[in-house]
Amino acid sequence: SQTIHQWPATLVQPVGSPLSLECTVEGTSNPNLYWYRQAAGRGLQLLFYSVGIGQISSEVPQNLSASRPQDRQFILSSKKLLLSDSGFYLCAFATSGLAGTGELFFGEGSRLTVL
Amino acid sequence: GQQVMQIPQYQHVQEGEDFTTYCNSSTTLSNIQWYKQRPGGHPVFLIQLVKSGEVKKQKRLTFQFGEAKKNSSLHITATQTTDVGTYFCAAIQGAQKLVFGQGTRLTINP
Repeated sequence: SQTIHQWPATLVQPVGSPLSLECTVEGTSNPNLYWYRQAAGRGLQLLFYSVGIGQISSEVPQNLSASRPQDRQFILSSKKLLLSDSGFYLCAFATSGLAGTGELFFGEGSRLTVL
Repeated sequence: GQQVMQIPQYQHVQEGEDFTTYCNSSTTLSNIQWYKQRPGGHPVFLIQLVKSGEVKKQKRLTFQFGEAKKNSSLHITATQTTDVGTYFCAAIQGAQKLVFGQGTRLTINP
């Protein structure tokens, strides 16, 4: 069966520190991968998506970056965190592209607090 | 880019009352999806609507896609405490991106 794992679940980081969130998918090949951010009580903002290894599309210019070193691995990074980076980060995948079945499967999320 | 506007932002009801959230777009949508996010949880896919005027039901939930494919609604009949959460509509932008509405947060007084 298809599963998605995302970690860490929670983290508290000082301003200016680096960040690395990791997401892995199992049970499917060549998924579309997504990073969303959700500010407290707000909607889902698409940050990055990837349709293949090494292919990253950025939606919002900011101090975050994403990488896809392997087919089912998606990493969200920052060299220096800002207070505004606080939020709930969600990794998601789609198995056949959104034009197919279209359903996104979300990970459990990573709650980041920048102090 | 394409945006979907969702209203209301918040809705508080008494248990047993009905609830409706609406999603609107200025452009024609290829399809619309609905997700539910429980408090502290992650969004979970509920349904996808594709056809103009489509209506789908899941127990007490009724989903509609407008004739012009520019709006959609989710209606819950006789809410229960298990319905608490935030409901999002989402639309495909381009071929590979899913853009979410701001969500409607539903709270229920038991």
